[in-house]
Amino acid sequence: DAGVIQSPRHEVTEMGQEVTLRCKPISGHNSLFWYRQTMMRGLELLIYFNNNVPIDDSGMPEDRFSAKMPNASFSTLKIQPSEPRDSAVYFCASSLLGAVDREYYEQYFGPGTRLTVT
Amino acid sequence: AQKITQTQPGMFVQEKEAVTLDCTYDTSDQSYGLFWYKQPSSGEMIFLIYQGSYDEQNATEGRYSLNFQKARKSANLVISASQLGDSAMYFCAMRELNTGGFKTIFGAGTRLFVKA
Repeated sequence: DAGVIQSPRHEVTEMGQEVTLRCKPISGHNSLFWYRQTMMRGLELLIYFNNNVPIDDSGMPEDRFSAKMPNASFSTLKIQPSEPRDSAVYFCASSLLGAVDREYYEQYFGPGTRLTVT
Repeated sequence: AQKITQTQPGMFVQEKEAVTLDCTYDTSDQSYGLFWYKQPSSGEMIFLIYQGSYDEQNATEGRYSLNFQKARKSANLVISASQLGDSAMYFCAMRELNTGGFKTIFGAGTRLFVKA
């Protein structure tokens, strides 16, 4: 059974360019999370979706960041324009959140995309 | 205020010995869940163990156990019989059921080094 798939695994781009990160969650999962990991700030939740609807985007740093989930099997995180301070590892995670046992759920993480903006 | 505090940036343990990684948390929510994840040098995040705030027994998963002390708001991870493959970064995390939605907050992590 395939886990969470992210592409690309590595991305190097120049400042000012548009960057699109992609994520395919585990089939059957109803929630998707985008995280950013840096040495300085650790692991930060950027946005999460439940049933393809964005629930909380309070972690999105600024308007240069946007995320979409057009269907249950695909999500994108876009940075436009990119800046050197956006360099980080971006993780996508998915989970099956039940209506009854909301307290417990395991998030399955993808391998991450290492983004370098020069 | 820090919701999750991991005070040990790095820990060393001898192979085959047990090690405890500390985690304290801060919440006013009565219902919450506590998690531990492992991140090896390859970068992936691996779920290890979960403890619910209403669980009376400490959670165990193989060589991993969670020492849950609710009154002290601590959720330490105990790894028994350490193996070289346990060398990794370990993150404690919390989700507040009533106030946090589905948001999971992660600590800064503890890097564990297992010596042969």
